[in-house]
Amino acid sequence: GESVGLHLPTLSVQEGDNSIINCAYSNSASDYFIWYKQESGKGPQFIIDIRSNMDKRQGQRVTVLLNKTVKHLSLQIAATQPGDSAVYFCAENGNAGNMLTFGGGTRLMVKP
Amino acid sequence: NAGVTQTPKFQVLKTGQSMTLQCAQDMNHEYMSWYRQDPGMGLRLIHYSVGAGITDQGEVPNGYNVSRSTTEDFPLRLLSAAPSQTSVYFCASSLLGGSGELFFGEGSRLTVL
Repeated sequence: GESVGLHLPTLSVQEGDNSIINCAYSNSASDYFIWYKQESGKGPQFIIDIRSNMDKRQGQRVTVLLNKTVKHLSLQIAATQPGDSAVYFCAENGNAGNMLTFGGGTRLMVKP
Repeated sequence: NAGVTQTPKFQVLKTGQSMTLQCAQDMNHEYMSWYRQDPGMGLRLIHYSVGAGITDQGEVPNGYNVSRSTTEDFPLRLLSAAPSQTSVYFCASSLLGGSGELFFGEGSRLTVL
């Protein structure tokens, strides 16, 4: 079936470095791709989304890249801070209303 | 703003017991949904609703019931709890359309013995 997955379950980076979290998807019909951040004991929180007709979108310290040719999505975090430590999920809106399909998550650990 | 409020935050049940997880949102969102989160499996959709009086099944609906009598409330009922339903449950809401950006509650951790 259709799925959204991640390449790396855990990513450890030094404070101040840039982080890149990757995600592979398989549903070519998805209209939107979304990144969520989940801190320990809390619900997921929206970070940024990108529509399928775009290949790059920037937010505050974050950039999402979409490569439809290889069905790959990435989240880049600039100047990673300790507060960025969390689990990051990619999700896709398969063009079926608001139903989102989530990947398994990547844990980002920021070393001081 | 309260956003999405879930109660209870923690619950322990015995096999066969029933219970209801409550979810309320104050953002006038049409869309509401319930996900369960298990280690290493991400979030899986249980049930969802696009408006009062309308509900539908998600990926893993068995063992759960929902109803949507008002825009604000979307309770999730476990009819006869099983150990396989031990999980963290998240309620989420959004406006219809757009990217489907979901606003999540803080979660309800359920343990079934």
